[in-house]
Amino acid sequence: GAGVSQTPSNKVTEKGKYVELRCDPISGHTALYWYRQSLGQGPEFLIYFQGTGAADDSGLPNDRFFAVRPEGSVSTLKIQRTERGDSAVYLCASSTRGEGVLFFGEGSRLTVL
Amino acid sequence: SQQGEEDPQALSIQEGENATMNCSYKTSINNLQWYRQNSGRGLVHLILIRSNEREKHSGRLRVTLDTSKKSSSLLITASRAADTASYFCATEGGGSNYKLTFGKGTLLTVNP
Repeated sequence: GAGVSQTPSNKVTEKGKYVELRCDPISGHTALYWYRQSLGQGPEFLIYFQGTGAADDSGLPNDRFFAVRPEGSVSTLKIQRTERGDSAVYLCASSTRGEGVLFFGEGSRLTVL
Repeated sequence: SQQGEEDPQALSIQEGENATMNCSYKTSINNLQWYRQNSGRGLVHLILIRSNEREKHSGRLRVTLDTSKKSSSLLITASRAADTASYFCATEGGGSNYKLTFGKGTLLTVNP
C-alpha cells in the first residue's frame, strides 16, 4: 500500500493476556519505529529498527514488551501479561534512512480491561 | 521522556485568524519538525527546519528556530476550520541522529 498500515486498529483484551500488534511500513523504508501515545500526551519512543535489527530499544518500558522485524519489512510488537497501564495508542512509523521525516500509521488502540 | 514542550496546551481562535504555537527543548538538535494529528488519527509531517536554519515557509505555515533560546514557533496564517488538530514539535538530535522526541502538543481549535 501507499502508507504505513497497522493492524488491528482496535484491540480490547483482559489483564494478563498476550497481545500482538502488526505494522507494515512503506515499501523501501529501511527504518521502522514504534511509539506509544497516551491520552493527551505526545508519542513516546519505544524501539527503532534499521533493517532487521533493533538499533535502539531503550524506550521499551520493561521485559513484557518485545518487537521483531524478521525480514526487514513487517514488524510485530508483542506485549506479554498485559496490564491496565499498557492501554494506549501504539503508533508505528517508517522512514528512509537519513531523511529524518517519519511517516506514521493510524495506530493500534489497545485497551486492557 | 519528552524533550519538547509546546505552549500553549490549547488554543481556540476564529477562522481567518493566525495561530501561533511555541516549542521549547532542552538539548542540542540536528533538526526540529512539526507534526499534525487529527483526533484519533496518525501524525502527519508538516515541516522540518534544520539547526542551521532560522526560518522556513511552506504554504500557510511559517516556522522559526532560535537555537540560542532552544525554542521554535509554528505560525499558521489565515486559519481554517480544517486546521483544527493537535500540533506536535519533535526534535532529532542530542546524541541521536535517528530518533524523534515529541512534545505534549498544542490542541488548536478553529471555530467557523
